[in-house]
Amino acid sequence: GDSVTQTEGPVTVSESESLIINCTYSATSIAYPNLFWYVRYPGEGLQLLLKVITAGQKGSSRGFEATYNKETTSFHLQKASVQESDSAVYYCALGTLPGTGSNRLTFGKGTKFSLIP
Amino acid sequence: EAAVTQSPRSKVAVTGGKVTLSCHQTNNHDYMYWYRQDTGHGLRLIHYSYVADSTEKGDIPDGYKASRPSQENFSLILELASLSQTAVYFCASSDRGRDQDTQYFGPGTRLLVL
Repeated sequence: GDSVTQTEGPVTVSESESLIINCTYSATSIAYPNLFWYVRYPGEGLQLLLKVITAGQKGSSRGFEATYNKETTSFHLQKASVQESDSAVYYCALGTLPGTGSNRLTFGKGTKFSLIP
Repeated sequence: EAAVTQSPRSKVAVTGGKVTLSCHQTNNHDYMYWYRQDTGHGLRLIHYSYVADSTEKGDIPDGYKASRPSQENFSLILELASLSQTAVYFCASSDRGRDQDTQYFGPGTRLLVL
């Protein structure tokens, strides 16, 4: 089946430093899955951070970026300069394309990120 | 603002008791989902629904039932709660069409079964 593996947390970084959360995937149900990063802030539900549906393309939102790399089956999340408001749990996920009869998401375990106090 | 809400936000239940978790969405979405998350695991799909009055089994449906009485409401029912069902439960909705795999989540329900 499909699977997603991401950096095991918690991850801590100093303010204004860069953040990278690794994500690799294995898609057996479909050759080109859609790839997602969701974020869960304390006390809230998951919300979409960014989505990329085309291999080779980069998605960006709120200063975060992730590039869909089909060759390495990776979708790493990066931010150049983090701040307190970025403290959250980040989830990498893959999804099937519409029309395949399934629109399930397969999630990684989540990576908790917080600033070094 | 369009939203997915869940009730209750937290619950303590006794083993063997019945638990109902409720989800309401104002997104006007056709698809709704129930997931559970355990420590050290990603979200896992329990049940989902494409249309009112119809539900489908997800990846881990055993011990759970689902009910979709209307487009807006989707319930998860634990007829005989067990210790292993202690988890955080998330409801989500998505639209049909090209973005049907972009899901919008509720805040979660923390369930503790004693």
